[in-house]
Amino acid sequence: GENVEQHPSTLSVQEGDSAVIKCTYSDSASNYFPWYKQELGKRPQLIIDIRSNVGEKKDQRIAVTLNKTAKHFSLHITETQPEDSAVYFCAAGTDKLIFGTGTRLQVFP
Amino acid sequence: NAGVTQTPKFQVLKTGQSMTLQCAQDMNHNSMYWYRQDPGMGLRLIYYSASEGTTDKGEVPNGYNVSRLNKREFSLRLESAAPSQTSVYFCASRQADGELFFGEGSRLTVL
Repeated sequence: GENVEQHPSTLSVQEGDSAVIKCTYSDSASNYFPWYKQELGKRPQLIIDIRSNVGEKKDQRIAVTLNKTAKHFSLHITETQPEDSAVYFCAAGTDKLIFGTGTRLQVFP
Repeated sequence: NAGVTQTPKFQVLKTGQSMTLQCAQDMNHNSMYWYRQDPGMGLRLIYYSASEGTTDKGEVPNGYNVSRLNKREFSLRLESAAPSQTSVYFCASRQADGELFFGEGSRLTVL
């Protein structure tokens, strides 16, 4: 079955810097790759997703890249702000969505 | 439009007791999921249902059973609760290969 690995587990950046979180997956049949943000005590919420027929997608300060050959995808956040501080999860799959273990991002003013 | 609704939000059980977590969605989604979340472990898939009438095991199905009652409802049952099942449980739903929408979560403590 699918296995998703996510790195780093914690990431601290200065406000205005960029943050990059990387995930690898094992199942070549996976065709959907979402990223979720979870604030303390709340439910995960989708911030961006990408499908297997696309290599890159951007939404304002957030971008995701996908390399299907290497089976990895990455989240890029530019011009980070304190409100970006949260736990971020990647996921991969088809009907069955498997999540990575999460990255705690801290943005310091 | 409530989205995904889970009940109860909080529950304390003694070891060996049973309980059912209820989940309902009003978005006419085909697929429904149960995840558990433990510190440092991310979201682990327990069971999912790709369509009404089907259920499949996820990563950590042992100790749980599910029922897809109809298109709207997907319940998770713990027959004999164990302390290792102390966790936050999230129900989620989605349409085809679209966005996964989560409920607010149910915090379960097993003593």
